[in-house]
Amino acid sequence: GAVVSQHPSWVICKSGTSVKIECRSLDFQATTMFWYRQFPKQSLMLMATSNEGSKATYEQGVEKDKFLINHASLTLSTLTVTSAHPEDSSFYICSAIDSGQPDNEQFFGPGTRLTVL
Amino acid sequence: GNSVTQMEGPVTLSEEAFLTINCTYTATGYPSLFWYVQYPGEGLQLLLKATKADDKGSNKGFEATYRKETTSFHLEKGSVQVSDSAVYFCALNAGGGNKLTFGTGTQLKVEL
Repeated sequence: GAVVSQHPSWVICKSGTSVKIECRSLDFQATTMFWYRQFPKQSLMLMATSNEGSKATYEQGVEKDKFLINHASLTLSTLTVTSAHPEDSSFYICSAIDSGQPDNEQFFGPGTRLTVL
Repeated sequence: GNSVTQMEGPVTLSEEAFLTINCTYTATGYPSLFWYVQYPGEGLQLLLKATKADDKGSNKGFEATYRKETTSFHLEKGSVQVSDSAVYFCALNAGGGNKLTFGTGTQLKVEL
């Protein structure tokens, strides 16, 4: 149980285009999901907290108009990188908290590798 | 602010060797501490956790003790296996909101 998937697992796009990444909780409901970004040999950096049915909460320094987050259902959150540029190339990881469990453990997806040419 | 410092890798060990991966932290208040493991091609998985000083988290032969006096949460295993090869992340949660602060991760390679 407690499986989180991400799609796609990797994507290559041209500079200036937008890319959407999906994060799904497969066997539980998640009112709260998180989006992280990871650079090579660096830690995961929290970008934003995604709340079902409401606006996402962004961390300081993260452009909310560039990284659009939508959490329209209890099992799906999407991250759209708008007008992507090479500096947006990174590994994006999501996590989800099972709403039905009391301990607030985060379950992580396998990540999405984005390369912007 | 909150931060986590881990020893750099990769760490290469022979099977059945003793493992220690150091982790120290800086945080306001009394954080909860975690170790996550990431196997190749998979997402991070919670390995163990401790929520207060002197607590010991343990799982799959791994242990870590929450040491408030040294602000440390070192990961140990008495006898590693090839299947333990993975990247290990130390993390903390302080101040509520379920936000995690991660270390940079330490890659472990176990050879026969």
